[in-house]
Order: sequence, then C-alpha cells, then structure tokens
Amino acid sequence: GEDVEQSLFLSVREGDSSVINCTYTDSSSTYLYWYKQEPGAGLQLLTYIFSNMDMKQDQRLTVLLNKKDKHLSLRIADTQTGDSAIYFCAESMRMDSSYKLIFGSGTRLLVRP
Amino acid sequence: DTGVSQNPRHKITKRGQNVTFRCDPISEHNRLYWYRQTLGQGPEFLTYFQNEAQLEKSRLLSDRFSAERPKGSFSTLEIQRTEQGDSAMYLCASSLMTAKEQFFGPGTRLTVL
Repeated sequence: GEDVEQSLFLSVREGDSSVINCTYTDSSSTYLYWYKQEPGAGLQLLTYIFSNMDMKQDQRLTVLLNKKDKHLSLRIADTQTGDSAIYFCAESMRMDSSYKLIFGSGTRLLVRP
Repeated sequence: DTGVSQNPRHKITKRGQNVTFRCDPISEHNRLYWYRQTLGQGPEFLTYFQNEAQLEKSRLLSDRFSAERPKGSFSTLEIQRTEQGDSAMYLCASSLMTAKEQFFGPGTRLTVL
C-alpha cells in the first residue's frame, strides 16, 4: 500500500539540531526525498537518497535511511529561524516510464530564537 | 531559466464554473507532473506527461478534470463544473527523462465558493 507517515510538529531552539522522522510502506521505493515548503509557496527539493544507501550528507543536512524498518530521517544541524517551514518526506512509486511521489502529511518545524 | 512557473497563482471561482491553469516547466524537461495539495496534507499525484503523451492518470482525476500538453512544452489543467471539494493548491513539477528529481512550481491556489 501507499502510506508515508510523519509526526505533525517539531519545535527547536535556534542553533540546536532538528531531527524529522518519517516511515514509509513501499519496500520497492528506489528513491526517498525530503522537500521543504514555506507558507504559500511550492515545494523545494532539499535532498534525496537512493535506497541502497544508508546515509547521505549535504552541508547542514544529513539523511539516514533504515531500509529494514522503512524509516527515514532528516537531521538539520545548527537550525536557523529561516529553516522554519513544513518538511515533507516522499517515497517514489514506479509508474510505467517514470516515478510518482507519495508524500507524507508534512512536519511543521518551528525554530525559536 | 528560473524554474517551473504556474499561472494564475490564485483563482477564486463560483461552484459550477470552469477553470484552467497553466504550467510552464523548466526548459528541456520532457516530463511534467500535476499534483493536488489540500490544506494540512501532502501533495497527491494527479497525472503525468512524457513530452506530449499523457502516460498516467490517478483515480483522483475525475472526468471533470482534463490535462493537456499539446506541444510537449507547457501544460494546462482544466476543471469543469467546479465543486467546493476542488478547492486546493494545484502543483506542477517537471523533470528530465534521466533524472530522479522532480522540481515543483509555486502552485495555483483554487478557491471554489
């Protein structure tokens, strides 16, 4: 089935690390994604990870993938107020010639000064 | 190129009216996707084009919805006889044939009164 779950809300202090968690159900997902959405805006692709990897780091972002447990996390180091947004986890589902993305409901991150 | 663009950004209409939205993908991106996002939820896949061919349609795409991409560049999404339940953000994304990333536009927010 298609189901991606995330916690609804996370609040952190500026300068701390944030960890946003996600679970997915489709074990055949080849790629898993993190997108950021600011109020009234579209989705910004932050990073993605291939399913045969267990970690990917990109500047302040670290993605961890536990394929056995179908668990994905996004760690943001040194969180800034500009990181306040909704973060969506997505799994890829194969179509005939491409992939569609199955999104979670998003985690709202609030960064307190 | 500045990314995926969508017009209009906002549309308010009365129930029963027809509306049409436009998406201009990143140039040379031959894949184009439409998603719908309702309040508090993640985007849901609607349909997908490879060049001018519509290759996949979700069950969410009722017969009141039609999408076209006549020349393989911009795409339009038309909703006929709008209902209040059609109120949502309609997002367009594009990608290269060989890429795993989908890049999203800013969306068109539809409000049906």
